[in-house]
Amino acid sequence: TQLLEQSPQFLSIQEGENLTVYCNSSSVFSSLQWYRQEPGEGPVLLVTVVTGGEVKKLKRLTFQFGDARKDSSLHITAAQPGDTGLYLCAGRIFNDYKLSFGAGTTVTVRA
Amino acid sequence: SQTIHQWPATLVQPVGSPLSLECTVEGTSNPNLYWYRQAAGRGLQLLFYSVGIGQISSEVPQNLSASRPQDRQFILSSKKLLLSDSGFYLCAYPQGRSRGYTFGSGTRLTVV
Repeated sequence: TQLLEQSPQFLSIQEGENLTVYCNSSSVFSSLQWYRQEPGEGPVLLVTVVTGGEVKKLKRLTFQFGDARKDSSLHITAAQPGDTGLYLCAGRIFNDYKLSFGAGTTVTVRA
Repeated sequence: SQTIHQWPATLVQPVGSPLSLECTVEGTSNPNLYWYRQAAGRGLQLLFYSVGIGQISSEVPQNLSASRPQDRQFILSSKKLLLSDSGFYLCAYPQGRSRGYTFGSGTRLTVV
């Protein structure tokens, strides 16, 4: 059973459109991260959120941590082909230094 | 600066052959180290983690083992590979205050 459920599994959009990826759980997390991975490479950390309700922005990417610290979303505005990749959320439960990963969302932005 | 190295980048091995994947970290001492496996285009499954030399915790019963002979070295091994061991193997360590992980570039293992 996956601790973190990501949706959708696949997302294909046209350049310039917006997209949102969701990460949900029944567990409460002390922190949650979002990573982006390109084929044949390791995931690269995009952001860490630690406070319930927190919103962080990274250029055209907006990350939100749910008030109850059980869910998160990643919103990309005006997507570009360079945003194409596998987006992974990962969370750490309180008093546990291990990260649990979602199954990922494959995003394809068509030029 | 901290860096992490994994090798080899790709590996094709026959069923029943042994395996040894190596991960080394530079620029940090006594880090927690992690081995993950990833199926194609999917999430990461934690296999092993280590908080120090000689200390290994296994998350999933399987055909693999891990060792940490030195502070900055983490090795993933198998005595006899199975077809189901194919995958993308990633080594990682914590980034500290960001609470995220830095990953190596991975090893693509294909068991034939």
